[in-house]
Amino acid sequence: GAVVSQHPSRVICKSGTSVKIECRSLDFQATTMFWYRQFPKQSLMLMATSNEGSKATYEQGVEKDKFLINHASLTLSTLTVTSAHPEDSSFYICSAREDSGQYQPQHFGDGTRLSIL
Amino acid sequence: QKEVEQNSGPLSVPEGAIASLNCTYSDRGSQSFFWYRQYSGKSPELIMSIYSNGDKEDGRFTAQLNKASQYVSLLIRDSQPSDSATYLCAVEAGGFKTIFGAGTRLFVKA
Repeated sequence: GAVVSQHPSRVICKSGTSVKIECRSLDFQATTMFWYRQFPKQSLMLMATSNEGSKATYEQGVEKDKFLINHASLTLSTLTVTSAHPEDSSFYICSAREDSGQYQPQHFGDGTRLSIL
Repeated sequence: QKEVEQNSGPLSVPEGAIASLNCTYSDRGSQSFFWYRQYSGKSPELIMSIYSNGDKEDGRFTAQLNKASQYVSLLIRDSQPSDSATYLCAVEAGGFKTIFGAGTRLFVKA
């Protein structure tokens, strides 16, 4: 089945640090990837849609300059949380969707638990 | 605004029973429907996809779709404690975007 790899799985760092999270589709091409954030006991919240070779599309209320997304190839998207603060602590999850055919589901990475001290 | 609605639960069923999870959606043009399972502290995993009206069975799971009623459900037969999780209904919203419901928490009591 389709596999999405996300690294790192956990990050603990000081306030003001920038953190980069990678999302890779291992056995399929993904023109479109998605970045979600999930706080404890809450729903998935879509932050942005990552498009290979073009700018990401951010959801309302998500700061583009705070959450930098780069989708440089058909198998890799990165999310950089710039100058992270304690309120950015959350579970960040990426997903990727196969390019082949219509109506393909999203496949999720294992997530990154970010803790800002 | 396109929406996907689920009862948040918790839904509690005894081991061996059938768990029935329901979902309604607002966009009549939706063509693809998915069920994901999310264990606490983990990311969602895909368990079923359904695209046509009717039932689709995969092991102990059966997805049911009724486009006229804008309703999709998931039945879990012979429920096990390991099925205890949050189940997310997801609906294709067009433009490669998928709308997720808030999820239904399921508890299977041993």
